[in-house]
Amino acid sequence: EAGVAQSPRYKIIEKRQSVAFWCNPISGHATLYWYQQILGQGPKLLIQFQNNGVVDDSQLPKDRFSAERLKGVDSTLKIQPAKLEDSAVYLCASSPRARTGMNTEAFFGQGTRLTVV
Amino acid sequence: GEDVEQSLFLSVREGDSSVINCTYTDSSSTYLYWYKQEPGAGLQLLTYIFSNMDMKQDQRLTVLLNKKDKHLSLRIADTQTGDSAIYFCAEPYTGRRALTFGSGTRLQVQP
Repeated sequence: EAGVAQSPRYKIIEKRQSVAFWCNPISGHATLYWYQQILGQGPKLLIQFQNNGVVDDSQLPKDRFSAERLKGVDSTLKIQPAKLEDSAVYLCASSPRARTGMNTEAFFGQGTRLTVV
Repeated sequence: GEDVEQSLFLSVREGDSSVINCTYTDSSSTYLYWYKQEPGAGLQLLTYIFSNMDMKQDQRLTVLLNKKDKHLSLRIADTQTGDSAIYFCAEPYTGRRALTFGSGTRLQVQP
């Protein structure tokens, strides 16, 4: 079974530029997550999709971050304009559909390392 | 769960046991997880425990859960150099499926 695919692996941009990340979840997984992992910290949820609808974007800085999941499969996360503090690894994860309270095991991609200079 | 806490660093000798500790916040969490992250890689699920269990063993891994103290631990028996990585404890956000992670414990295994 193919895992979660992300691209690019690395990206370096100047502050105030824009950047986009792409994620292809595991086939058949209804739930998709984007996490931000700053160096030395654990991942923090940015946004969660169920199929092509947003379930939770309460921690997404909406003035500069946006995400979409057209057709309920692939997803893109965009930052515009980028700030120095956006330097982090952006991780995409997916989970199969499950009832509330059931195992919420998430499968992670390798991430995109963003450096803003 | 909003604040999952872990110690930052653990160093052990090859062949010894490692114990990584975690405290979580949400007593209603149904599952608790341990993930492993190697340098430059994403997170890999190691194991999980259902909240009605006190202990789960999976080969060299033993998970202990103390619900009263909201304490979770991961024991790695016969630790190998390949176990060197960052280990994250995670629980679901209260009422939601997404996971909240601790800051991670860096395990260093000395040959």
